[in-house]
Amino acid sequence: AQSVTQLDSQVPVFEEAPVELRCNYSSSVSVYLFWYVQYPNQGLQLLLKYLSGSTLVKSINGFEAEFNKSQTSFHLRKPSVHISDTAEYFCAVRENSGGYQKVTFGTGTKLQVIP
Amino acid sequence: DTGVSQDPRHKITKRGQNVTFRCDPISEHNRLYWYRQTLGQGPEFLTYFQNEAQLEKSRLLSNRFSAERPKGSFSTLEIQRTEQGDSAMYLCASSLGGWDTDTQYFGPGTRLTVL
Repeated sequence: AQSVTQLDSQVPVFEEAPVELRCNYSSSVSVYLFWYVQYPNQGLQLLLKYLSGSTLVKSINGFEAEFNKSQTSFHLRKPSVHISDTAEYFCAVRENSGGYQKVTFGTGTKLQVIP
Repeated sequence: DTGVSQDPRHKITKRGQNVTFRCDPISEHNRLYWYRQTLGQGPEFLTYFQNEAQLEKSRLLSNRFSAERPKGSFSTLEIQRTEQGDSAMYLCASSLGGWDTDTQYFGPGTRLTVL
């Protein structure tokens, strides 16, 4: 069965500093990978996804994530964070095994940007 | 383009009462999902519909829970004889289907508090 590990429950970082949110997954088959963001009192919003092709994927607001199959990781990075990036970030995995594939979420990482 | 909507946004009920939540997916999406999210956790899958057919249910979905999607559009999630452990955020998501477009888009959630 697939699983997702987000080891860091909270990550404080100063404004304009770089940040990396870690995500590791476990699966016996190939996977699709997602990062969702949840702002306070809002639902989850898709930030970026890896389905195939280039292992480096980018969002419109400056985040990027790289799929590393050998390390089974999909870490999220941003070179310079803004106050508005303060939110909870969830990594998710979906197995590519035919038919309906359940999405499994990690426990989330709260990014706190300090002015 | 309206996103996924959920009603109500908040529900407070007494233990033993029945509650019903509604989800309206994005109009052209034929897949609909229900998740439960408790504090400090990522969303946990509850059930999934392809049009009006309920194709998968999690073991988390006890016999007190029932979900319907009668016309393949909106869906309802009912919890009978609520317990304090049912207190959580209930999230609905929808997707278009197809291997590369099957990305789930989430609603704002219904926060249930059982007293």
